[in-house]
Amino acid sequence: AQTVTQSQPEMSVQEAETVTLSCTYDTSENNYYLFWYKQPPSRQMILVIRQEAYKQQNATENRFSVNFQKAAKSFSLKISDSQLGDTAMYFCAFSTQGGSEKLVFGKGTKLTVNP
Amino acid sequence: NAGVTQTPKFQVLKTGQSMTLQCAQDMNHNSMYWYRQDPGMGLRLIYYSASEGTTDKGEVPNGYNVSRLNKREFSLRLESAAPSQTSVYFCASSEQGGIYEQYFGPGTRLTVT
Repeated sequence: AQTVTQSQPEMSVQEAETVTLSCTYDTSENNYYLFWYKQPPSRQMILVIRQEAYKQQNATENRFSVNFQKAAKSFSLKISDSQLGDTAMYFCAFSTQGGSEKLVFGKGTKLTVNP
Repeated sequence: NAGVTQTPKFQVLKTGQSMTLQCAQDMNHNSMYWYRQDPGMGLRLIYYSASEGTTDKGEVPNGYNVSRLNKREFSLRLESAAPSQTSVYFCASSEQGGIYEQYFGPGTRLTVT
């Protein structure tokens, strides 16, 4: 079974600083996709970033970037120049290509950005 | 373009009562999902519909049923609510399957007393 582990239940960072959220996953598949979703206090889940496992280049979206290490099965999220609006729960998620269509989520990391 | 809508936003039920959570999307997506979110547990998949006319069990299907009414709508039914079903329920949709971005509804907070 595929599993996603987020080892940091809570983290905090000062505004304008950089923070990295960890995620590891377990799979025997070779073709898969990894995601980071953000859930602010409003509860609305939105996609932050998506990575295709066959692409060696790490995905970036403005201040958000990932460090994807396929051999280590690691997929960390780096947030640069943290802003107060980044305060949220962050969920790492995983899905295989051609598989059962399921997205498997980690338990989340609660990030607080302090002024 | 409303995206994914869910009704109701809040609901309180007594043990043994039944109810249906409604979900609709206007993005012409093929796949739809129901999740529950509990503190410290992340999101767990209850049921999903890969395409119109198909439904499949997820990780925690017991106590729930679903109906993919048409391409737009995917409902979740609790036949006999139990306190263990107290949770926040999210509906989501994607273009086709789990490898695409999922778009989430605003959630339904359900309390079973």
